[in-house]
Amino acid sequence: ELKVEQNPLFLSMQEGKNYTIYCNYSTTSDRLYWYRQDPGKSLESLFVLLSNGAVKQEGRLMASLDTKARLSTLHITAAVHDLSATYFCAVDIKRDDKIIFGKGTRLHILP
Amino acid sequence: DTEVTQTPKHLVMGMTNKKSLKCEQHMGHRAMYWYKQKAKKPPELMFVYSYEKLSINESVPSRFSPECPNSSLLNLHLHALQPEDSALYLCASSQDWTGSGNTIYFGEGSWLTVV
Repeated sequence: ELKVEQNPLFLSMQEGKNYTIYCNYSTTSDRLYWYRQDPGKSLESLFVLLSNGAVKQEGRLMASLDTKARLSTLHITAAVHDLSATYFCAVDIKRDDKIIFGKGTRLHILP
Repeated sequence: DTEVTQTPKHLVMGMTNKKSLKCEQHMGHRAMYWYKQKAKKPPELMFVYSYEKLSINESVPSRFSPECPNSSLLNLHLHALQPEDSALYLCASSQDWTGSGNTIYFGEGSWLTVV
């Protein structure tokens, strides 16, 4: 059974600091997703990572994937208050047509 | 157009009512999903339709009944729900599984309250 673990589950940080959210998964996967969710809102797609060594960047966020370690990271550079949200990683197994979410990381950036 | 449209946005229903949630996408996606999300929890997969056929049912109680009338529409019929079924119901879609880099697009969700 596929398990997806994120850590930390809650993160409070100062503006201007850097930090990394980790996503571990338990079985071989075809692709990994990162989503952002604001309170009371739906999920916004941030990144889709397909292959070992994939790195994608958008603004202050950068995601990477190590399929051998079954690990993805979401790195936040020089955080700003607007990045406060819950961030989910999600992993799928093509043969099962399933996408399983991690528990989410609630990020609170203090001005 | 990368929209997944869900209606209604908010629904309050009694335990004896029958209601439906609707989802529509016009991106030509052939995989559509229903997720349930409780407050401060991750979305939980309920159903997957692939090419308009039910591909996955994650042991969802029969009081939830999905329907895929065509490739653009996905419904979730609700009957005899319980208060613990109150949650945000998210519809999502993606291209078929032979493609690469499939992004899964989520709708805004339907907030369901069962009283």
